[in-house]
Amino acid sequence: EVQLLESGGGLVQPGGSLRLSCAASGFTFSSYAMSWVRQGAGKGLEWVSSIRTSGGSTYYADSVKGRFTISRDNSKNTLYLQMNSLRADDTAVYYCARQAWTHYFYDNWGQGTLVTVSS
Amino acid sequence: IRLTQSPSSLSASVGDRVTITCRASQGIRNYLAWYQQKPGKAPKVLIYAASTLQSGVPSRFSGSGSGTDFTLTISSLQPEDFATYYCQQLNNYPPYTFGQGTKLE
Repeated sequence: EVQLLESGGGLVQPGGSLRLSCAASGFTFSSYAMSWVRQGAGKGLEWVSSIRTSGGSTYYADSVKGRFTISRDNSKNTLYLQMNSLRADDTAVYYCARQAWTHYFYDNWGQGTLVTVSS
Repeated sequence: IRLTQSPSSLSASVGDRVTITCRASQGIRNYLAWYQQKPGKAPKVLIYAASTLQSGVPSRFSGSGSGTDFTLTISSLQPEDFATYYCQQLNNYPPYTFGQGTKLE
């Protein structure tokens, strides 16, 4: 069974940093591209970042470019999101998602981890 | 690429046929997925490649379209279908933008 388990969320002050992790199991992690998607309270889904299988190619939404870094450790079956210079509008539930091989849709999602940026 | 869903909210009853539309600001071939999200839960994929039903999804859900105009149809609404629905475009490289969502009440 595919499982994605996010961790690392919490309360952080504006300007602070946080690193999210997504532990994957039940599939060959190194064979799948992965993404982070976030959702503010009462708001829609927002694509944040994606990374290809080897980690050699990464992509970011304009809203986080230069502040967030996506990475992966295929030996540990773990996806990461390093978030720096956090702002109040980064407050959201952050989901990791597995990207299907064809048509790239998200076929499995984690349960999400809440990040709150507030003083 | 921007995706515009309509309507933003929809009132319906059990047994109704419901259609949600998603329009892309430029052509995305058939690289479109539909997701269902219930409160406090992660989204779940219903349809991918515009019209392919994900394994395990009831056949009352269907999708159509190509290029810029897409639809999600629920043929006979069931109580468990009241949720928010999102389209997502996955054409070429990211950003893989989402529509703003349609809340089905």
